[in-house]
Amino acid sequence: AQSVTQPDIHITVSEGASLELRCNYSYGATPYLFWYVQSPGQGLQLLLKYFSGDTLVQGIKGFEAEFKRSQSSFNLRKPSVHWSDAAEYFCAVGAAAAGNKLTFGGGTRVLVKP
Amino acid sequence: KAGVTQTPRYLIKTRGQQVTLSCSPISGHRSVSWYQQTPGQGLQFLFEYFSETQRNKGNFPGRFSGRQFSNSRSEMNVSTLELGDSALYLCASSLGQVGQEGHIYFGEGSWLTVV
Repeated sequence: AQSVTQPDIHITVSEGASLELRCNYSYGATPYLFWYVQSPGQGLQLLLKYFSGDTLVQGIKGFEAEFKRSQSSFNLRKPSVHWSDAAEYFCAVGAAAAGNKLTFGGGTRVLVKP
Repeated sequence: KAGVTQTPRYLIKTRGQQVTLSCSPISGHRSVSWYQQTPGQGLQFLFEYFSETQRNKGNFPGRFSGRQFSNSRSEMNVSTLELGDSALYLCASSLGQVGQEGHIYFGEGSWLTVV
């Protein structure tokens, strides 16, 4: 069975500082990996995805993520955080054998200090 | 291009009642999935429909059901509502098989409160 762990429940970062959100997954084969962001009261917006190929993936809003098979990780990064990045971030894993079912991590809530 | 549309956005129901939520996927998308989001359990997969057939099902009781119509619109129904069913219900659509035909887009969700 697939599982996703986001070790950090909350992260506080100063505006302009760098941000890294951790995601570890468990799956036997090559997974499809996603990062979504959710603002309060809203749905999920896709930031980026990894299916295959280049392990460094660029997304929207200046985010990037790196797939490391040896560490079963897919960490999300942003070089310089803006106040509007305050939100909850979810890592998710899917697989070809699972149709379009996604398994989500518990989320990391990001607070941005001025 | 319109996104995933969910209706109603907010609703309040009483224990024991039933509720139907609707989802219109992105035009041309054939796969619709439903998720339940609660503070305690996080995001949990309910079921997925593809071309009117249920392709995947999560670990929810039989009170939770769904269907998909020929135009790919989907509904989910929860019968005999319990307080614990209070949640944000999210619908997601995809062109076909993730990884082969694109990725998965979510709607804004339907907020259900059971009192």
